[in-house]
Amino acid sequence: DAGVIQSPRHEVTEMGQEVTLRCKPISGHNSLFWYRQTMMRGLELLIYFNNNVPIDDSGMPEDRFSAKMPNASFSTLKIQPSEPRDSAVYFCASSPIAGVSYEQYFGPGTRLTVT
Amino acid sequence: AQKITQTQPGMFVQEKEAVTLDCTYDTSDQSYGLFWYKQPSSGEMIFLIYQGSYDEQNATEGRYSLNFQKARKSANLVISASQLGDSAMYFCAMREGRDDKIIFGKGTRLHILP
Repeated sequence: DAGVIQSPRHEVTEMGQEVTLRCKPISGHNSLFWYRQTMMRGLELLIYFNNNVPIDDSGMPEDRFSAKMPNASFSTLKIQPSEPRDSAVYFCASSPIAGVSYEQYFGPGTRLTVT
Repeated sequence: AQKITQTQPGMFVQEKEAVTLDCTYDTSDQSYGLFWYKQPSSGEMIFLIYQGSYDEQNATEGRYSLNFQKARKSANLVISASQLGDSAMYFCAMREGRDDKIIFGKGTRLHILP
């Protein structure tokens, strides 16, 4: 079975450019999560969706960040304009809804470098 | 207050020894789940083990076991007979019954020495 798929795996861009990260969750999973990981701040939850609806975006750093989930099999995280401090590894994860017992399955991550 | 506390930023352990990674949590929910994830140097996040708040037995998965002490709000990960491949960052995490998101601790970096 295919796991969570993220693309690109690596992205290098210049400050001010738009960056779009993509995620395909595991088929049948109803919840999708976007995380950012840095050495300084650890693993931070940015936003999560249930049934394609954003539930909690309190972790989104600022208006430069936006996320969409147009259907059950695809989500994007967009940064516009990007800044050097956005450099991090961005993970997408998915899980079934309902109940505390379901672990999140993580994608391989996208390593973003903004110069 | 932090929901998940991992007090050991780094640990060095001799190969074949058992390892205990500490984790304490804070919640007022009666229903919650506790998780451990492993992140090797390659970067992927690997789910290791789960413990439910109502589970009376400690969870075990192969060489991994979770020492769950509910009254102390402690959920330590025990790795038996450590191997060089166990060298990684380990994250403790919690999902509260009221929520779908999982809250992660800061992690413990484990180094297994040959």
